Amino acid sequence: EVQLLESGGGLVQPGGSLRLSCAASGFTFSNYAMTWVRQAPGKGLEWVSLISGSGSNTYADSVKGRFTISRDNSKNTLYLQMNSLRAEDTAVYYCAKRSTPGPNFDYWGQGTLVTVSS
Amino acid sequence: QSALTQPASVSGSPGQSITISCTGTSSDIGGYNYVSWYQQHPGKAPKLMIYEVTNRPSGVSNRFSGSKSGNTASLTIAGLQAEDEADYYCSSYTSSDTYVFGTGTKVTVL
Repeated sequence: EVQLLESGGGLVQPGGSLRLSCAASGFTFSNYAMTWVRQAPGKGLEWVSLISGSGSNTYADSVKGRFTISRDNSKNTLYLQMNSLRAEDTAVYYCAKRSTPGPNFDYWGQGTLVTVSS
Repeated sequence: QSALTQPASVSGSPGQSITISCTGTSSDIGGYNYVSWYQQHPGKAPKLMIYEVTNRPSGVSNRFSGSKSGNTASLTIAGLQAEDEADYYCSSYTSSDTYVFGTGTKVTVL
């Protein structure tokens, strides 16, 4: 059974940093691209970033230069390093597995809440 | 990358069919057959309902179907049931090697 478990969310001041983790199990982690998607309170889904199994990555313009996605295939874990956080980054952050071959996201975690506020 | 455009809300009575539209551009929906649809119940994670425009993952009811014409994709729910009440989001791969979601549609079963 595929499981994705996010952690690391919390309250952080504007300009601060936070690192999210997503522990994966139930599939061969290194074979699949992984992504982060966020959802601000009461708002829609917003794609944030994606990393391939080999480590190449892409970002949404809204986070480029501030967020860094990475993965440790030996630990079956996905990360999102978030720097220079802004109030508008407040959201539930979901990690999701990209399916093969199509670019869609077939399994999602339950999300972790990040609140950026002074 | 601007969000794909969806109607804010769609409603229908039990047993009826409803269709949700999702409009993008030639750089996303119109350029690729990589449109997905996700269902999200309140407080829950999104669930993949349709992928690559028309395909249903294993376990998803055949009451859900997808289509695309030009820059607009559509999700149809036939035989509407109370459990279908949820938010629905379309998504597309883009020419920038990124992804974009729709604005979301709240489906209400009357």
